[in-house]
Amino acid sequence: EAGVAQSPRYKIIEKRQSVAFWCNPISGHATLYWYQQILGQGPKLLIQFQNNGVVDDSQLPKDRFSAERLKGVDSTLKIQPAKLEDSAVYLCASSLQGYGYTFGSGTRLTVV
Amino acid sequence: KNEVEQSPQNLTAQEGEFITINCSYSVGISALHWLQQHPGGGIVSLFMLSSGKKKHGRLIATINIQEKHSSLHITASHPRDSAVYICAVRSLGGGADGLTFGKGTHLIIQP
Repeated sequence: EAGVAQSPRYKIIEKRQSVAFWCNPISGHATLYWYQQILGQGPKLLIQFQNNGVVDDSQLPKDRFSAERLKGVDSTLKIQPAKLEDSAVYLCASSLQGYGYTFGSGTRLTVV
Repeated sequence: KNEVEQSPQNLTAQEGEFITINCSYSVGISALHWLQQHPGGGIVSLFMLSSGKKKHGRLIATINIQEKHSSLHITASHPRDSAVYICAVRSLGGGADGLTFGKGTHLIIQP
């Protein structure tokens, strides 16, 4: 079974630039999550999708972050404009009704 | 909001030692996950528990729902077990079931 695919693995950008991350979940997993993990901390949920609808985006900084899952499969997370404090690992995960949680390898973002 | 506390934050042990990592949480849950994270960021799910005990190889996970506490044990530890171990919980109720994570326990097993 293929895992959760994320790209790119690493990204370095200057502050105020924009960046986008891509995630392809496990086939058949209706629920997709984006997490932000700042160095030394546990991951924090940014947004949860159920198919292509948003279930929870209460911790997403909506002034600069956006996410979409147009066809209920792949998802993109965008930051525009990036700030220094956005430097983190961005993890995508998927599940089948909350079970079978599977994480991707993450995208490590460095904002300079 | 669920608060997840892990202890210890850092643990260094010798190869072969029995390892215990603890996790406590503040609000009722539907499931608790133990996760392993190696340098580079990727997370691997080790266990998902809602009651009792699970065993996989040298890893054992237990949970006490009444006491809101879980432990992860590693028997006959090996340097390849060195990683960050993270406890995460799924709170009861609602459609949003994103996990709440602890800060992780950084484990180093020395040969």
